[in-house]
This record gives sequence, C-alpha cells and structure tokens, in this order.
Amino acid sequence: AQSVAQPEDQVNVAEGNPLTVKCTYSVSGNPYLFWYVQYPNRGLQFLLKYITGDNLVKGSYGFEAEFNKSQTSFHLKKPSALVSDSALYFCAVRAESWGKLQFGAGTQVVVTP
Amino acid sequence: DAGVTQSPTHLIKTRGQQVTLRCSPKSGHDTVSWYQQALGQGPQFIFQYYEEEERQRGNFPDRFSGHQFPNYSSELNVNALLLGDSALYLCASSLGQGFPSPLHFGNGTRLTVT
Repeated sequence: AQSVAQPEDQVNVAEGNPLTVKCTYSVSGNPYLFWYVQYPNRGLQFLLKYITGDNLVKGSYGFEAEFNKSQTSFHLKKPSALVSDSALYFCAVRAESWGKLQFGAGTQVVVTP
Repeated sequence: DAGVTQSPTHLIKTRGQQVTLRCSPKSGHDTVSWYQQALGQGPQFIFQYYEEEERQRGNFPDRFSGHQFPNYSSELNVNALLLGDSALYLCASSLGQGFPSPLHFGNGTRLTVT
C-alpha cells in the first residue's frame, strides 16, 4: 500500500519570502514522487518529480523539492514566493514506474502582496 | 502540440442515469488514466488503460467502466449515477508502461448529479 500525507491544509506566506509545502509518504520499495499544482477549475500541472539520483530536484517555475529517505519526506520549496504561486499543491507517490498515482489531500498556498 | 483534452467541461445528470466522459491524450502519449476529485480532496485513481486494455483499477465499483480506442483516446462510463458521484473527473495521459513519466492532466469534466 502507498500513502501520502500533507500535514498542512493551508500555508500563508508573504510575497518574496521562502515557501515550503510539506509532504511525507509511505510506500513499499523505492518511491517515485511527484508534485503537482492546481489552479481553480483547472486540471493538475506537473511541477517536478523524483525518480532516483540527487536528493534536490529542480522543477518548473523556480520550484524545487528535497527528497529525504530517512524521514520519508519530499518537501516542496521556492526561495521567493510570488502572488501568482497562490494555488492548491498536491504531492503524489507511486510504487512502480507506472500505474496508480496516490495523491495527498492537498495544501492551499496563499501568497499575500 | 495539443495537451490532454476532455469533453464535456460540465455535465448535469439525474440520479440513476448514465454518463459518458471523453478524453484525448497528449500527442505522443499512449496511456490514459482516470481520476475522480471530490470537492476539497485529492484525486482518486479510477483506472488506467494501455493498449486498449484496463491495466490497473482503483477502489471503484463496477458501475465505473472505461474504454480505450486504437487512437489512444478514452471514455469513462458511469452507470446508475448516485449523488456521491458528483465530482471533477480528470483524465491524464502518459507515455509507456516501463518508465515513470509524469502524468499530463486535462482540465476535467465537472459532473453534477441531482
């Protein structure tokens, strides 16, 4: 079985400040980890993925994520948040190279000017 | 390069009716997955199609069925609609079964069951 936890329903940050969205996972074997963002009334947009290799993964729009195997975490980060980053963020995990993607419940990010 | 397209964008049905949702994958993709996203929740996996066969299925009843066509497009059918089936239905496409390619999502079909 695989599962994802996003412990924060909402994260509030001022524009220009660093942004962190937390994610922990549980999966048998090596995980395939993803971050997606969803804007209102839209589908999910892919931000970045961890498959293997460097623990720091760089993605779209200045986002990056740090994989920590011992803590089973995959936190999303951005050094300087923009108002346009306000959206719903989902962490997801897969136990195989294909198939079911297990999503977390999502974290609403609110960036204030 | 067209992304994933879904139709219709919105749909209102009555309890007990049947509905068909359609999806065209991103150009070059051969695998289609369907997800249900209830309000305020993360997407839940329904099933995945590859080579016109259902390859994996989530915890959804048999009322949910699907099909993939030779051109890789796909349909999701839901029979005997319940009020609880009201949700955003997302189609996602990807490439192949042996490489962990990310899913590309459409904008979804908003289904309301009254």
